[in-house]
Amino acid sequence: DAKTTQPTSMDCAEGRAANLPCNHSTISGNEYVYWYRQIHSQGPQYIIHGLKNNETNEMASLIITEDRKSSTLILPHATLRDTAVYYCIVRASSGSARQLTFGSGTQLTVLP
Amino acid sequence: DGGITQSPKYLFRKEGQNVTLSCEQNLNHDAMYWYRQDPGQGLRLIYYSQIVNDFQKGDIAEGYSVSREKKESFPLTVTSAQKNPTAFYLCASSKISTGSYNEQFFGPGTRLTVL
Repeated sequence: DAKTTQPTSMDCAEGRAANLPCNHSTISGNEYVYWYRQIHSQGPQYIIHGLKNNETNEMASLIITEDRKSSTLILPHATLRDTAVYYCIVRASSGSARQLTFGSGTQLTVLP
Repeated sequence: DGGITQSPKYLFRKEGQNVTLSCEQNLNHDAMYWYRQDPGQGLRLIYYSQIVNDFQKGDIAEGYSVSREKKESFPLTVTSAQKNPTAFYLCASSKISTGSYNEQFFGPGTRLTVL
């Protein structure tokens, strides 16, 4: 699985968009970009994933650059409850059980 | 309500004692996983199982054991051989479907402290 690089921490004002970057310059053609988040002392929660095209769901949007070497997770209107560690994970899709390789992630703090 | 339950939330044990952490899911998922998380770190895989009565070691299996006698249950035993057992333990489960992403659902975790 390709390595990812994320900033250690970011702040965002409540109600503003939070843009979390991730670099994955060694990503392979069959590898997806996944985002999870972990609120303090809870289990991680799946947010979104994508391959090439931009994706949007009820939680967030995922923007993947054309060369696929980086991506940005966007929380359009951040709330205090979005304060968490956000993990960007690159992994090939598989028909078998595969582990998720979590790095240290980005600590997002939403400020009132 | 479908989901994954882990119990207890907090667990204290004396050094040298084995301890078993419970994980149950009612999502009808085939695959189950155990991860360990240390403060400020990401998750590391201990064991995983794709089918009943079968399981595979992850990156840090030494000092741990598991069983998968039922599809919905995947208990983890932290043995006295585990040198640094104090950590946050997370259980997860997922479907196994060819050609699609199988999201992992996580339980609330068990925080184990060995005194």
